[in-house]
Amino acid sequence: QSVLTQPPSVSAAPGQKVSISCSGSSSNIAKNYVFWYQQFPGTAPKLLIYDNDKRPSGIPDRFSASKSGTSATLGFTGLQAGDEADYYCGSWDDSLNTVVFGGGTKLTVL
Amino acid sequence: QITLKESGPTLVQPTQTLTLTCTFSGFSLTKSGVAVGWVRQPPGKAPEWLGLIFWDDDKRYSPSLKSRLTFIKDSSKNQVVLRLTNVGPVDTATYYCAHRHSMLDFDFWGQGTLVTVSS
Repeated sequence: QSVLTQPPSVSAAPGQKVSISCSGSSSNIAKNYVFWYQQFPGTAPKLLIYDNDKRPSGIPDRFSASKSGTSATLGFTGLQAGDEADYYCGSWDDSLNTVVFGGGTKLTVL
Repeated sequence: QITLKESGPTLVQPTQTLTLTCTFSGFSLTKSGVAVGWVRQPPGKAPEWLGLIFWDDDKRYSPSLKSRLTFIKDSSKNQVVLRLTNVGPVDTATYYCAHRHSMLDFDFWGQGTLVTVSS
């Protein structure tokens, strides 16, 4: 059972928009930065978003993120087949005193 | 260009100590603010943050593993060592080392090494 809650899966057609939610609590998302990773099978996670809504260099602006209260959202526009992967959110938890991750969401491009 | 690579055993017996080495290049662990972290990921599950070791030898450990986990740095060799004592089947995972980007996240990762704990 992960501290942060994500939907197990989401799907959409190429070119469409889709979003992935990440639900937390007052001890994590509400007070701390959120990050998002993309992970393809058999590879290391890749940083997509840090500090709630910032993209590292090289990450296209098709990816966006936001945070409100105890929840965060990762958004995609212009979905591509190459976006099919697992996505994880994470944040610091003040009560657990550690970084916590969501359980992950598998994005399927139909 | 920053690169990291994990090395160590692929199979460890229960109750033994797991030792993994992260060898990195493209940055110095003597520079102020720099840190290397460890994350593990059991097969088919979400990542788990293990902790960080900083340029000044400060360390942060996951509270759930703190009693069994140790990070050691050798800046002259550009290496960080992870030691996890008294391993059990629940420690079976792919272990990654990574370069810290901002407070909570990592921008460069090693390829990971799968460690299986089994007799």
